[in-house]
Formats: sequence, C-alpha cells, structure tokens
Amino acid sequence: EPEVTQTPSHQVTQMGQEVILRCVPISNHLYFYWYRQILGQKVEFLVSFYNNEISEKSEIFDDQFSVERPDGSNFTLKIRSTKLEDSAMYFCASFRTPATNEKLFFGSGTQLSVL
Amino acid sequence: DAKTTQPPSMDCAEGRAANLPCNHSTISGNEYVYWYRQIHSQGPQYIIHGLKNNETNEMASLIITEDRKSSTLILPHATLRDTAVYYCIVRVDAGNMLTFGGGTRLMVKP
Repeated sequence: EPEVTQTPSHQVTQMGQEVILRCVPISNHLYFYWYRQILGQKVEFLVSFYNNEISEKSEIFDDQFSVERPDGSNFTLKIRSTKLEDSAMYFCASFRTPATNEKLFFGSGTQLSVL
Repeated sequence: DAKTTQPPSMDCAEGRAANLPCNHSTISGNEYVYWYRQIHSQGPQYIIHGLKNNETNEMASLIITEDRKSSTLILPHATLRDTAVYYCIVRVDAGNMLTFGGGTRLMVKP
C-alpha cells in the first residue's frame, strides 16, 4: 500500500527555535493535511492545503505556523518560534481527492519535543 | 459534520469478534461513516467506510443501520495486535477533512 513519509521521526528543540517538519505525500495525491496530537489527547486538525494554498485552518494554526510545498514532492510544516505547548506528535496526511470513496492516508508522525 | 458518540473503552477476548458501536444520530444523507484506528501513537490507519450499505474488506465489516443513525465495526477474529483506539468519523461527501473524536479504546485480552 502507498505510504505518506514523515521526517524526522523525533525532533527535539529549544523553546523559541524554529522547526520544520517534513512530509512526502503519496505521489498522485493533491490534498495535504497536518494534524497534531498532544500526549493523551485527541488527534486535532491543523491545516489543509490544495493547489498551493491553504484550504482550511483551525484556530490552533496561528501566525506561528506556516505550510509550504517547496517542490513537487515535499510538504512542510514550519513552526516559527516554538513554545513548550507545541510539544506533540505531528501527523501529515494526504488524499488523492476528498471525494467519495477516497481514503485519507496518514504518515507515522514526527514527535516534537520543545524544551 | 455530524457528531459521533462511542463508548470510551471495550474489552474483547482474543479470537472473538469485536463489535464496536458508534452513534451518529444527526447524520445527514450525504455523510459517510469512516473508521480509523490508532495503535499506540502511530498515525491513524484507515479501516473501512460506507454510506448506506454494509461493507466488508480484509480488515473488518461495517454494519450501518437502515436509518443510518448508528453503525457497528466488526473485527471478526480479534488478535492482540488489534488493541488500539478506534475512531468513528462522519464526513460530508467531498468534505475537506476528517474530525476525530475521543474514539473507543479496544483492549484485546488473551
């Protein structure tokens, strides 16, 4: 089965530092997502991205966050100045299209620890 | 998207069928029922989805009531590796995202 690939699997950073989380969605997919999960809590939607622009974003996705598709394969999430509360597992996901009978595929996640 | 209600936890004996219920009484006609699971802190894994008819694949069966207000995910022969949190999600046709609730923590016991 096709896979969404995320790197790194673990990222440790100091508070206030910038981090970039990377994802390679499935090759023919067009819709890309970031979700996060704080330890012990629900999986929360952050942002969706289509046609090189943000489609939807949640309240969590404030000015500290940005997403980019710098080339034809990568999809990145940047956190400009990390805070302790940004510590979470971040999941990338992709759809070919969000239409009927399509599955949203998730990557295995990046565990971000902010110290 | 319609809200779903699931029991927070369930146990199942290894080798037995696990029946996970989901209530979605406010579901509308164009909303699909999706099931995902999450093992430890891994990425959510797609299991199955349906609109009106019952569905079966290599992982599970999905039974949707005739009024579509509830559904049941069936794992026919649960194994220890099926221990996970199972999420029932309803999604508008061509809706842009999936919204996760609290899910059901299924513990498969030897």
